[in-house]
Amino acid sequence: GAVVSQHPSWVICKSGTSVKIECRSLDFQATTMFWYRQFPKQSLMLMATSNEGSKATYEQGVEKDKFLINHASLTLSTLTVTSAHPEDSSFYICSASAEAKNIQYFGAGTRLSVL
Amino acid sequence: SQKIEQNSEALNIQEGKTATLTCNYTNYSPAYLQWYRQDPGRGPVFLLLIRENEKEKRKERLKVTFDTTLKQSLFHITASQPADSATYLCALEGRGGYQKVTFGTGTKLQVIP
Repeated sequence: GAVVSQHPSWVICKSGTSVKIECRSLDFQATTMFWYRQFPKQSLMLMATSNEGSKATYEQGVEKDKFLINHASLTLSTLTVTSAHPEDSSFYICSASAEAKNIQYFGAGTRLSVL
Repeated sequence: SQKIEQNSEALNIQEGKTATLTCNYTNYSPAYLQWYRQDPGRGPVFLLLIRENEKEKRKERLKVTFDTTLKQSLFHITASQPADSATYLCALEGRGGYQKVTFGTGTKLQVIP
């Protein structure tokens, strides 16, 4: 149980285009979903926390207009990188947790390369 | 500022031995401490959670200790196998309702056959 599916696993796009990443909890209801960014050999950096039906809470330094997060249902959250630039190239990982649980279940990650 | 330290150097051990990884933290009073495993190009996988009032937790070949006085957690893998080779992350969650989880940079473990 506790499977989180993240799609796509790898995406290449041209500079200036937008990219949408999906995160789904397959066998549980995720009251909270998280979006992280990870650079090589570095730790996961939390970008934002989203609760179903409400606006995401962004971490300091993360542009909310750049990284649009939607958490429309208890099983789906999306991250849209708008007007992507090469500096946005990174490994993006989502995670989900159920109500009153401290454990996060992670997706497999999305490798974004912006040309 | 809050800081989580894990040995950035890779740990190489012989198959069958016990691997011990360290997580130290400063300026933090976590309510929970977690350990995750991350393989290259993949998301982390939850392994164990230990609460501040617990000294030790075990799961199969894994053991975690939590010393709030030393501000340190030790993660042990007994009878290590090459399949245990991965990066292991510790993560801390604060107290007082929901608090975000902060991850360490991880230690890479290599088990040599």
